Amino acid sequence: EAGVTQSPTHLIKTRGQQATLRCSPISGHTSVYWYQQALGLGLQFLLWYDEGEERNRGNFPPRFSGRQFPNYSSELNVNALELEDSALYLCASTKGQPIMNTEAFFGQGTRLTVV
Amino acid sequence: GIQVEQSPPDLILQEGANSTLRCNFSDSVNNLQWFHQNPWGQLINLFYIPSGTKQNGRLSATTVATERYSLLYISSSQTTDSGVYFCAVEPNDYKLSFGAGTTVTVRA
Repeated sequence: EAGVTQSPTHLIKTRGQQATLRCSPISGHTSVYWYQQALGLGLQFLLWYDEGEERNRGNFPPRFSGRQFPNYSSELNVNALELEDSALYLCASTKGQPIMNTEAFFGQGTRLTVV
Repeated sequence: GIQVEQSPPDLILQEGANSTLRCNFSDSVNNLQWFHQNPWGQLINLFYIPSGTKQNGRLSATTVATERYSLLYISSSQTTDSGVYFCAVEPNDYKLSFGAGTTVTVRA
């Protein structure tokens, strides 16, 4: 069974450009979470999608947005890129709510570099 | 939001040593997980443990939900155990919140 897959693995963008990151959850999982991990720091919650809807959002500006498609895959868009957006972006999937076992599984991440 | 504190922040071990990592959280939770982040950034699931005790090889974990803490035990440490260990909790808002991590270095 395939795990959570993210693409691309690495992405280099220029300040002011837009970046699009993609995530495919584990088959049967309906919830997708996005996290940002800046170099040497912990994981900061960005967005949570479940059944196609945005359910929760972290403390990030509106230029961080995303969506979840009918097949439960997800896209994270970052507009007007700034140098401090350089980070590892991690996607996780779970079986969704309301289910007791909501163990989260993570993809390998997309390393975004803004120059 | 919920506060998740991990201790110690850094741990240096000699190969073969045992260690205990701690995770304290400020509110009741539905879910608690321990992860190991490898040098390439991948988060590896270690334990899904909202309560009780689990063991997997040289690793074991205990969560005492009523007292709001969890412990991760590493026995007979190996150099491959090096990396960052994260505790993550899911309170009632269903948002998995991470601690700052414990960086473990195992020396041969």
